[in-house]
Amino acid sequence: EAGVVQSPRYKIIEKKQPVAFWCNPISGHNTLYWYRQNLGQGPELLIRYENEEAVDDSQLPKDRFSAERLKGVDSTLKIQPAELGDSAVYLCASSLGSLNEQFFGPGTRLTVL
Amino acid sequence: QKEVEQDPGPLSVPEGAIVSLNCTYSNSAFQYFMWYRQYSRKGPELLMYTYSSGNKEDGRFTAQVDKSSKYISLFIRDSQPSDSATYLCAMTKGGNNRLAFGKGNQVVVIP
Repeated sequence: EAGVVQSPRYKIIEKKQPVAFWCNPISGHNTLYWYRQNLGQGPELLIRYENEEAVDDSQLPKDRFSAERLKGVDSTLKIQPAELGDSAVYLCASSLGSLNEQFFGPGTRLTVL
Repeated sequence: QKEVEQDPGPLSVPEGAIVSLNCTYSNSAFQYFMWYRQYSRKGPELLMYTYSSGNKEDGRFTAQVDKSSKYISLFIRDSQPSDSATYLCAMTKGGNNRLAFGKGNQVVVIP
């Protein structure tokens, strides 16, 4: 069974540029999460989807971050414009319902110069 | 004060030693406690899952939860070089509540 797929794995951009990350969850998993993990820290939830509905986006900085999961399968997280402080690893996870184990992808390591 | 405190100091042990990791937390509503293992350049993977207080053992790994002290522990017996990773504690109230993670402990097992 394929795990959570994320792309790109690495991204280097200059500040004020836009960037987008893509995630394909494990087949059949209706719950999808985007986390941000700063260096030396644990992951922090940005947004959680149940199917195509964003049910918890209270931690998403909505002035510059946006996310979508149009068909309830794969998802895109976008930052526009990026700031230096956005440098982090962006992790996607999925689960079979919000009460069950979350499976994480390898993450996208973003560097903003 | 963060909800979950985990001393991130790197820990180096010789192969075969017992590794002891712990986290403290402030929210008494947390009911589900987890330990994740994260290898370099990888996402976290669930290692142990415990509900409420008590002990849980899985092979060389033992998780302990003391809700009265708001303290959880992970023990790794007969540590192996393949155990070298960052270990993150996480906890939640359950339901649709989000996971609160600790900072993670980097463990290096020296052959």
